[in-house]
Amino acid sequence: QSVLTQPPSVSAAPGQKVTISCSGSNSNIGKNYVSWYQQVPGTGPKLLIYDNKKRPSEIPDRFSGSKSGTAATLGITGLQTGDEADYYCGAWDSSLRCYFFGTGTKVTVL
Amino acid sequence: QVQLQESGPGLVKPSETLSLTCTVIGGSVSPYYWAWIRQSPGKGLEWIGSIYYTGSTYYSPSLKSRLTLSLDTSQNHASLKLSSVTAADTAVYYCARDVDGSATWGAAFDIWGRGTMVTVSS
Repeated sequence: QSVLTQPPSVSAAPGQKVTISCSGSNSNIGKNYVSWYQQVPGTGPKLLIYDNKKRPSEIPDRFSGSKSGTAATLGITGLQTGDEADYYCGAWDSSLRCYFFGTGTKVTVL
Repeated sequence: QVQLQESGPGLVKPSETLSLTCTVIGGSVSPYYWAWIRQSPGKGLEWIGSIYYTGSTYYSPSLKSRLTLSLDTSQNHASLKLSSVTAADTAVYYCARDVDGSATWGAAFDIWGRGTMVTVSS
């Protein structure tokens, strides 16, 4: 029942670029900051992007975030096999007064 | 390096109360919000609620009637109690630190525990 919609899967060859979209509404992405998380199966999530486009210091600049209106995008350049994981966006919904994670996107490196 | 460690029973009977603790190791609970997040088997992430070091809370509307979050600053741990559990509450439960400090408009979870699996079954 998430209010944030992501594509179920994206894929690309090593070294290529992928983008993952996160679609919301005026009460969540349109009004609040977006964060992005990477989850390798069997492990806890890792913060990749916060405040729409900021990266924690340990996250390489191959990962980038952007937001426009009610949609956000995560970009991954120079794709590596270690990037195979599930990716989630997240944002607060001011109307529902609840934090939502996106539906999740599985990234496959071909 | 701050680490989080979740602990609690792995098996809870239906209609009983699920109780979990998140211990903050190598850091302090202040001045942050601490969140609980769960993930049902094969499913996505679900925010349960967040608690500030002062005790103020935000709860998921869908769980609010059954949920209690608390914080013990002297013991440096956060706790979750979820009452009247059903099989739908079976999940891996994570605690996480909200690096932003708002719990709402800017919430972002930078440190996560390894999670603890809780199964609701008789």
